[in-house]
Amino acid sequence: DAKTTQPNSMESNEEEPVHLPCNHSTISGTDYIHWYRQLPSQGPEYVIHGLTSNVNNRMASLAIAEDRKSSTLILHRATLRDAAVYYCILDPFYNQGGKLIFGQGTELSVKP
Amino acid sequence: DGGITQSPKYLFRKEGQNVTLSCEQNLNHDAMYWYRQDPGQGLRLIYYSQIVNDFQKGDIAEGYSVSREKKESFPLTVTSAQKNPTAFYLCASGTVPFAEAFFGQGTRLTVV
Repeated sequence: DAKTTQPNSMESNEEEPVHLPCNHSTISGTDYIHWYRQLPSQGPEYVIHGLTSNVNNRMASLAIAEDRKSSTLILHRATLRDAAVYYCILDPFYNQGGKLIFGQGTELSVKP
Repeated sequence: DGGITQSPKYLFRKEGQNVTLSCEQNLNHDAMYWYRQDPGQGLRLIYYSQIVNDFQKGDIAEGYSVSREKKESFPLTVTSAQKNPTAFYLCASGTVPFAEAFFGQGTRLTVV
C-alpha cells in the first residue's frame, strides 16, 4: 500500500487560508487521493478526493501536483470549527472495496 | 435519516470477557469497515467486507472476529485473545466502487 507523509501539526489564524500538505511519492497511476478530518471523540468526516485534476467543493479545494507525488488541501477561510486532525489517504481504485489506510494525520489548530 | 449507527457509545467489560460491538447502516452500501484508534494515534484497519458473507483481515485482525450475514450489519467481536482491547472503535461504510466512506460516531471500549 502506498504511503502518505504529513506534518504532525499546523497552526492557523481564524479567517485566513490554510494549506495542508501531503507527500505521496510512491503513488501509482490509479490511486485516488482522499482527505478526511476528525474532530475529537468523533468519527472521521469526508472532505474531498481527486485523481489528477484540482477539485473544489463546498468544504475545501484539493490541489494535486502535476507529477501527483504531492497534494495540498486548501481551506479558504479557516474557522474555529475547522480545528481537527486532517488525514491524507490513498485509495487504489482497482481495489474496488476502498481499503482506506490512515496515517497519523496533521492536527490543525485555529487561533481566534 | 440515512446513516451509520454504532452502539453503545461507551462500553465497559472485565478482562477475559468477549464483547460484541454493533454497527448498522441504512445507506445501502456494499462495503463496511472496522477501525481501531488509540489515544493520539491514527486509525488502524481491523477487518473489512465488500459483500455479504465475505470479509478480509486488515492490518490488526488478531484477537478480533466479524460476521457479515446482512448487508446492513457488520458486528465486531473483541475476544479475550486481544491483548490490549481498550480503545476507540470506529465503523464505516462505503460504495463499491469506492467514492467516500461514512463513519459512525464510535464506541469507546474500556476493559478493566
